[in-house]
Amino acid sequence: DAGVIQSPRHEVTEMGQEVTLRCKPISGHNSLFWYRQTMMRGLELLIYFNNNVPIDDSGMPEDRFSAKMPNASFSTLKIQPSEPRDSAVYFCASRYRSGLATDTQYFGPGTRLTVL
Amino acid sequence: AQSVTQLGSHVSVSEGALVLLRCNYSSSVPPYLFWYVQYPNQGLQLLLKYTSAATLVKGINGFEAEFKKSETSFHLTKPSAHMSDAAEYFCAVSDGNDMRFGAGTRLTVKP
Repeated sequence: DAGVIQSPRHEVTEMGQEVTLRCKPISGHNSLFWYRQTMMRGLELLIYFNNNVPIDDSGMPEDRFSAKMPNASFSTLKIQPSEPRDSAVYFCASRYRSGLATDTQYFGPGTRLTVL
Repeated sequence: AQSVTQLGSHVSVSEGALVLLRCNYSSSVPPYLFWYVQYPNQGLQLLLKYTSAATLVKGINGFEAEFKKSETSFHLTKPSAHMSDAAEYFCAVSDGNDMRFGAGTRLTVKP
């Protein structure tokens, strides 16, 4: 299995531009998570989906952030407009949700976003 | 609400020495606990997880963790550190829906 795939791996953009991060979960997984990692705040859960439906988006910083999961094999996280404080590493993770709390999340390699 | 607290943001050990990374949890339901490792410029990968089958859990790369309900702890240990163990380690707790991570502990291994 190829694991969780994220693109791009690195993104450098200017303040005010729209940024779209992409994620392909592991085939057969039915839950998908978006996280943000910074030195100051550590690893933060932004949003997660079960069966393509957003369940909890309370971690999304503000309306500039939006996430979609149009089908089981693809998700996007969009920032519009981007700001320098959005600079971080964004991780996508997926799992097969069997209903057990012991289900493991598998992480992608991350997208390093720099907003100038 | 569930949460984990990792004691010590940085731990430094000598190669061959014992590794001890501390994690305490808070959970209103029986906790399911995980340790993940993150190598530089990589995503997180699972080291081990507590599933209530046994309190002492063995993971990859010689790591293990012991669940102690009375102390609300799930500390990670390895008898003998290797240079390749240098990484950041995250403790996490799940209730079956989402997962909450600790702030992480950066492990440095000195030659």
